[in-house]
Amino acid sequence: DADVTQTPRNRITKTGKRIMLECSQTKGHDRMYWYRQDPGLGLQLIYYSFDVKDINKGEISDGYSVSRQAQAKFSLSLESAIPNQTALYFCATSDTIKQYFGPGTRLTVT
Amino acid sequence: GQQVMQIPQYQHVQEGEDFTTYCNSSTTLSNIQWYKQRPGGHPVFLIQLVKSGEVKKQKRLTFQFGEAKKNSSLHITATQTTDVGTYFCGTGAGSYQLTFGKGTKLSVIP
Repeated sequence: DADVTQTPRNRITKTGKRIMLECSQTKGHDRMYWYRQDPGLGLQLIYYSFDVKDINKGEISDGYSVSRQAQAKFSLSLESAIPNQTALYFCATSDTIKQYFGPGTRLTVT
Repeated sequence: GQQVMQIPQYQHVQEGEDFTTYCNSSTTLSNIQWYKQRPGGHPVFLIQLVKSGEVKKQKRLTFQFGEAKKNSSLHITATQTTDVGTYFCGTGAGSYQLTFGKGTKLSVIP
């Protein structure tokens, strides 16, 4: 949905670098999520936030951190990127029924 | 959290043939959601099932939730090239903290 935007859309970085992926939404939802997608592994939840003051770890939070700067903004950081963090990253928001995904950020760590 | 197994991982069909993907769990599920991800795109919500034995249809797509609420299926009748993509099932507390299956990648041969 255009209501959920992610920047950058593509990023190549080197091992050991710190990188931030940003997500913004105009849907007015309190709930936001970060997922990682690897081929054949589906969508794995990294972190989720139910409001600005509520942040929770997902299945695979090691090596990642997040910041919820406002209701509309949820950022994902890799403090020291490693090659096995090469993946497609999706941000999502949700209402009471469904999740709305952003277009994704393709991250390559060399 | 609840786990769901999705089969098959890949399916190649001739255009016009039917297609089915299955989502199975060893525990009773509160709900099941289905999402479609087109190649190069992001997951898009298709439907949610919550009732035992529920069947819902969307044009050529038929979604079922098992009587025991431990499995679900998505059936596409007479596939078209526009059906190409990866289909994911997910489960959780409403739309929150969804756990996704690994997806079924559908290829349609014209």
